[in-house]
Amino acid sequence: EDQVTQSPEALRLQEGESSSLNCSYTVSGLRGLFWYRQDPGKGPEFLFTLYSAGEEKEKERLKATLTKKESFLHITAPKPEDSATYLCAVRGGSGGSNYKLTFGKGTLLTVNP
Amino acid sequence: GAGVSQSPSNKVTEKGKDVELRCDPISGHTALYWYRQSLGQGLEFLIYFQGNSAPDKSGLPSDRFSAERTGGSVSTLTIQRTQQEDSAVYLCASSLMGGTGHEQYFGPGTRLTVT
Repeated sequence: EDQVTQSPEALRLQEGESSSLNCSYTVSGLRGLFWYRQDPGKGPEFLFTLYSAGEEKEKERLKATLTKKESFLHITAPKPEDSATYLCAVRGGSGGSNYKLTFGKGTLLTVNP
Repeated sequence: GAGVSQSPSNKVTEKGKDVELRCDPISGHTALYWYRQSLGQGLEFLIYFQGNSAPDKSGLPSDRFSAERTGGSVSTLTIQRTQQEDSAVYLCASSLMGGTGHEQYFGPGTRLTVT
């Protein structure tokens, strides 16, 4: 069974204070690791997909990296508008169901001005 | 272009009543998914539709839950005889196709409260 564990559960940063969020995963045949951002009362917003160890993707102040066991979402010089819950999900390839996403519980990021 | 839309945005119902939740996927997307997000839990997969293929209903928690997708577009999730544990946010997502290489885009969700 695919599993995703995110840490920390909550993170408070001062504006400009860089940090990283962790996503550890267990999956049979990784078919993609996904990062989403979710604002209160809204659906998850797609950020990145990573497919293989060593892959990196960037978008504004965010950079996602992937190893064989975990992914990091690095936030450089965050701003208050980066405050949100960040969700990590994996898509495995076992049993022919290479479309289901298994999600972690998320990291609630708060960036104070 | 327009994203995934869901209605209603909020639904309060009494225990034992039936509810219907609607999802309009992104135009041209052939794959549609329903997830449930309960307080303090991760998103939980419920059901998957891909074109005219038989849906994957393996995530539905009980036979009180059912879903259909008409004309390969709009989908309705029905919960019969609602229970308090059904209270959650129900999220719909769509992708161009199912499977590897196609990101899922989510709607805003329907918050269901069973009193």
